[in-house]
Amino acid sequence: LAKTTQPISMDSYEGQEVNITCSHNNIATNDYITWYQQFPSQGPRFIIQGYKTKVTNEVASLFIPADRKSSTLSLPRVSLSDTAVYYCLVGSDSNYQLIWGAGTKLIIKP
Amino acid sequence: NAGVTQTPKFQVLKTGQSMTLQCAQDMNHNSMYWYRQDPGMGLRLIYYSASEGTTDKGEVPNGYNVSRLNKREFSLRLESAAPSQTSVYFCASSELAGGPSETQYFGPGTRLLVL
Repeated sequence: LAKTTQPISMDSYEGQEVNITCSHNNIATNDYITWYQQFPSQGPRFIIQGYKTKVTNEVASLFIPADRKSSTLSLPRVSLSDTAVYYCLVGSDSNYQLIWGAGTKLIIKP
Repeated sequence: NAGVTQTPKFQVLKTGQSMTLQCAQDMNHNSMYWYRQDPGMGLRLIYYSASEGTTDKGEVPNGYNVSRLNKREFSLRLESAAPSQTSVYFCASSELAGGPSETQYFGPGTRLLVL
C-alpha cells in the first residue's frame, strides 16, 4: 500500500517552470503514478500518468527516477490559470488500491 | 455530452436522517466510483463498481451503501447520517474495468452538511 506525500503548498510566478514532487516510498511493482488538477468547486481532472522514466504531454511532464520512490510533475511556463490543487495518485489495477495524496495547493502570482 | 452529473449539489441533513446521492454518466463507461473529500486529506474511495451489477468496498465504506442501477447510474446512500459524514462527495467514471491506470472523469461534487 503506497502512501504518498506532497508539499502542502507552493508559490510561483507567471512564466516560470513549476516542479511538484510526490514521495511514494512504498510503491509496488505494478503501481502507476497519476497526477490530477482540481479547481475550486470542481472535481479533479486528469493531467498526466506514468510508470517509469519520463512522460510528456501538451500540458505537463512527469519525471520518475529509476527507484520510482518519488515523481515530479513539471508545469512549463505557468499562468494564473494554473492556480489549483494538484494531486498525486499511486495505485495498481491488480489490487484496486487508489491512494490519493493530500494535494499541493499551487498559487501563481502575476 | 454532459459527462458525469451529480445531484443534489448541496444538502443539509440532521443526524439520523437518510438520503441518496445520485450520479450518472453518459460516456458509456464501465466503471464508476464514489469518493469523499475532506479538508487536507485528499480523496478517499468509498465504493466502486467495475461493471454493471458489481460493487466493491473502497477505503472508507462504513456508513454507506451503493447501488449500480444500470450502466449509467451509480447511487450512494447514507442510511443514518452522522456529523462525521459532512464532506464533499465526488462521483467518477472510467472507461474499462477500472483501476488506477485508467483516467477517471469526475462530476462536480455534492456538498453535504450533517448537523
